[in-house]
Amino acid sequence: EDKVVQSPLSLVVHEGDTVTLNCSYEVTNFRSLLWYKQEKKAPTFLFMLTSSGIEKKSGRLSSILDKKELFSILNITATQTGDSAVYLCAVEGLAGKSTFGDGTTLTVKP
Amino acid sequence: DGGITQSPKYLFRKEGQNVTLSCEQNLNHDAMYWYRQDPGQGLRLIYYSQIVNDFQKGDIAEGYSVSREKKESFPLTVTSAQKNPTAFYLCASRSLYYNEQFFGPGTRLTVL
Repeated sequence: EDKVVQSPLSLVVHEGDTVTLNCSYEVTNFRSLLWYKQEKKAPTFLFMLTSSGIEKKSGRLSSILDKKELFSILNITATQTGDSAVYLCAVEGLAGKSTFGDGTTLTVKP
Repeated sequence: DGGITQSPKYLFRKEGQNVTLSCEQNLNHDAMYWYRQDPGQGLRLIYYSQIVNDFQKGDIAEGYSVSREKKESFPLTVTSAQKNPTAFYLCASRSLYYNEQFFGPGTRLTVL
C-alpha cells in the first residue's frame, strides 16, 4: 500500500523564522511528488517535483526531491503570518492514483 | 470563469439516508477525484476516474459510489453503508498531461 508520512505534524514559529517541512514516501511506480497549501478549504498547488536534486523555487518557498532516499523537503524562509496553513504532500503513483500525507500545520505568530 | 464547483457547501442528513454530492468542472480535465478529509488529517482517496465511463476505487471506497457519465461531472453518493460519513469532502480534477490537481471548495457533510 502506498504511504506518505509528513513531519512534523505541527509547528509554531515567529515571523521571520525559516522552517523546513518533511515528506517521506513509499509508492509503487512513482511519477511525481506535489506540495499543496491548504488555508481554509481547497488546497492550492505549490510545487511538482519529478527529478532528484533539482530545486524548485517560488519567492520565499523552495522544495527539493531525493528519489534515492524517498523524501522531499519544503522550505519557507522569512515566514509571514500569511504562511500559516496546512501544508500537504502528495505522491502520484500507478495509473493516476494520488496518496496524501496527513499534513503539517504551520502557525506563524507575529 | 474556469474551475471546479461543488454543491452544496454544507449538507445535513439523517442517519440511514443516502446523499449525493455534486462535482462539476469546466476545465476540460480528463481525470477527477474524490477525497475525504477528517479533522487534523490529510486527504484520503475515495474514488478516481481517468476517463468517462470508467473509475477506480481509492483507499476508502467502502460505503461510497460514483458515476462518470459525462467528462465534466463526477457525483459521489454516500450510502447508508458508510459507517462514519460526517466529514469534509473535496473533489479535484487534473489534465492527464500535468499532475497538478485543482480542487473544488468542498462540501461539509454532517450526518445527524
